[in-house]
Amino acid sequence: EVQLVESGGGLVQPGGSLRLSCAASGFSFSSFVMSWVRQAPGKGLEWVLGISGTGDNTYYADSVKGRFTISRDNSKNTLYVEMNSLRAEDTAVYYCARSYSANWRPFDHWGQGTLVTVSS
Amino acid sequence: QTVVTQEPSFSVSPGGTVTLTCGLSSGSVSSSYYPSWYQQTPGQAPRTLVYSTKTRASGVPDRFSGSILGNKAALTITGAQADDESDYYCILYMGSGSFVFGTGTKVSVL
Repeated sequence: EVQLVESGGGLVQPGGSLRLSCAASGFSFSSFVMSWVRQAPGKGLEWVLGISGTGDNTYYADSVKGRFTISRDNSKNTLYVEMNSLRAEDTAVYYCARSYSANWRPFDHWGQGTLVTVSS
Repeated sequence: QTVVTQEPSFSVSPGGTVTLTCGLSSGSVSSSYYPSWYQQTPGQAPRTLVYSTKTRASGVPDRFSGSILGNKAALTITGAQADDESDYYCILYMGSGSFVFGTGTKVSVL
């Protein structure tokens, strides 16, 4: 069974940093593109970052470019996002999601999400 | 800035049929965008319903079906049930590793 479990969320001050993790199990992690998707309170879903199976290719939404970094450790079956220079508008539930193939495709499995609150 | 458009809301009667659409602010949606559909209830993670235009995810009942209708992707719910009352989001692959979600449709069953 595919499982994705996020962790690392919490309260952080504006301008602060946070690292989220997503532990994957039940599939060959290195074979799949992975992404982070966020949802601000009361708002819709927003794709923010994606990474290829090898980690060689990464893509970012303009809203986080230059502030967030996606990475993965295939030896640990774990996906990460390092978030710097956090703003109030980054407050959201962050989900990790698996693409349904090794290619850049939308998502078939989701984690339960972790809440990031940026506030003083 | 690409905008993926969805109807803000729909109401359907129990047992009825509703078709949600997913369009582009500029251009047509085709299968090469790999349109996919997700259902979300408040406080829960999204649930995958359909991916790559019309492939149903594992465990999804066949009353959910995906297609291309004209210049949009579509999700049809046939024989709506009370627990289909949710928010529905589409997503399109825009190329170069980027994705855009639709604005979401709130479906009421009443």
